[in-house]
Amino acid sequence: ETGVTQSPTHLIKTRGQQVTLRCSSQSGHNTVSWYQQALGQGPQFIFQYYREEENGRGNFPPRFSGLQFPNYSSELNVNALELDDSALYLCASSKTGRLDNEQFFGPGTRLTVL
Amino acid sequence: RKEVEQDPGPFNVPEGATVAFNCTYSNSASQSFFWYRQDCRKEPKLLMSVYSSGNEDGRFTAQLNRASQYISLLIRDSKLSDSATYLCVVNLAEADKLIFGTGTRLQVFP
Repeated sequence: ETGVTQSPTHLIKTRGQQVTLRCSSQSGHNTVSWYQQALGQGPQFIFQYYREEENGRGNFPPRFSGLQFPNYSSELNVNALELDDSALYLCASSKTGRLDNEQFFGPGTRLTVL
Repeated sequence: RKEVEQDPGPFNVPEGATVAFNCTYSNSASQSFFWYRQDCRKEPKLLMSVYSSGNEDGRFTAQLNRASQYISLLIRDSKLSDSATYLCVVNLAEADKLIFGTGTRLQVFP
């Protein structure tokens, strides 16, 4: 177990709805990264949060947004859900500043958009 | 061109076989390299980092060729428990973000 937790584990939404996913980072880690993993694909980087600010973003539209809280936990918000948003959403916590940065993944939230 | 490219497989090998996976990356500024393992419907977990001099961890050997922008993973004496998807990953220097390949699926059979 990595100590990274995510909630909920599964979620079903309909097109146009909004969703919030949550992640608690591992003790001692101050950075949280979010990834989207579609079926049969590798995880794709959405964005990273460090000290409560976005610190890098992948190729995702603005309807994907996030927050990081003072305790380093994080939320991923997706507005105006589309069918293609159906995926496993993974968060990973890490200590920033290390070149050999190991990221520890949570179990993921499986989102289905109908 | 994808930033990280892998042969998706699947590779079906018998127990005891040696199998090799290859990966190429497009960004020459990539600084750190990893192999992650992902079991079916589970999260990725770090298998090993990849160093310029090559490194070994038990039955697993990783190699990096910066000139060719190529990374490899060799698994010797395959076990049934090695069946999983192996993800090639690079870390860009300017941010602690990981770029994943699509993954190579390995199935070890008795």
